[in-house]
Amino acid sequence: NAGVTQTPKFQVLKTGQSMTLQCAQDMNHEYMSWYRQDPGMGLRLIHYSVGAGITDQGEVPNGYNVSRSTTEDFPLRLLSAAPSQTSVYFCASSYDRAETQYFGPGTRLLVL
Amino acid sequence: RKEVEQDPGPFNVPEGATVAFNCTYSNSASQSFFWYRQDCRKEPKLLMSVYSSGNEDGRFTAQLNRASQYISLLIRDSKLSDSATYLCVVNPRTDSWGKLQFGAGTQVVVTP
Repeated sequence: NAGVTQTPKFQVLKTGQSMTLQCAQDMNHEYMSWYRQDPGMGLRLIHYSVGAGITDQGEVPNGYNVSRSTTEDFPLRLLSAAPSQTSVYFCASSYDRAETQYFGPGTRLLVL
Repeated sequence: RKEVEQDPGPFNVPEGATVAFNCTYSNSASQSFFWYRQDCRKEPKLLMSVYSSGNEDGRFTAQLNRASQYISLLIRDSKLSDSATYLCVVNPRTDSWGKLQFGAGTQVVVTP
């Protein structure tokens, strides 16, 4: 049982490049979400999903897209990277609305 | 004003001592509360939920004060391994999964 996995662990992009951050979970959780964590700020919700085929925006969705074609996978796409998107990105999943969230190890992204 | 506020610390604590810190939240209708622990460069992990009557898990005690809108975490007999950042997490409403509010964290450093 791997829990929540994320790839890559580190990534450097140039402004304007696009990329996809991968997230997968093997716990059969319906609920998955993406957060970004910046120094001095709490985790901020980017997008979330309550099941396959259903996604919604969080607090800071601009510049990011998501899709949920399977229960297991929830990729995050950066459409045109900007330096303001330099951050640590965490994917999380949970079984139900009980809100105990299981986080992946994170992806550290640097946009130059 | 941030919705969830924490003293960033650091709280420097001698091994074996007790440390306590609070987290304030702005939404009086908030329904559920949690403490997560985050080690340096790692993902957050659930430490404990916070119940209305207060609850204890080993050396950790969590309290909720709805009147003053804060939760607290107390660590007794601090261990070196308790050094971490403690994140306060608030769910503002029971029907708003995915909209958890995270504090920026309180850093605790336990010294020998």
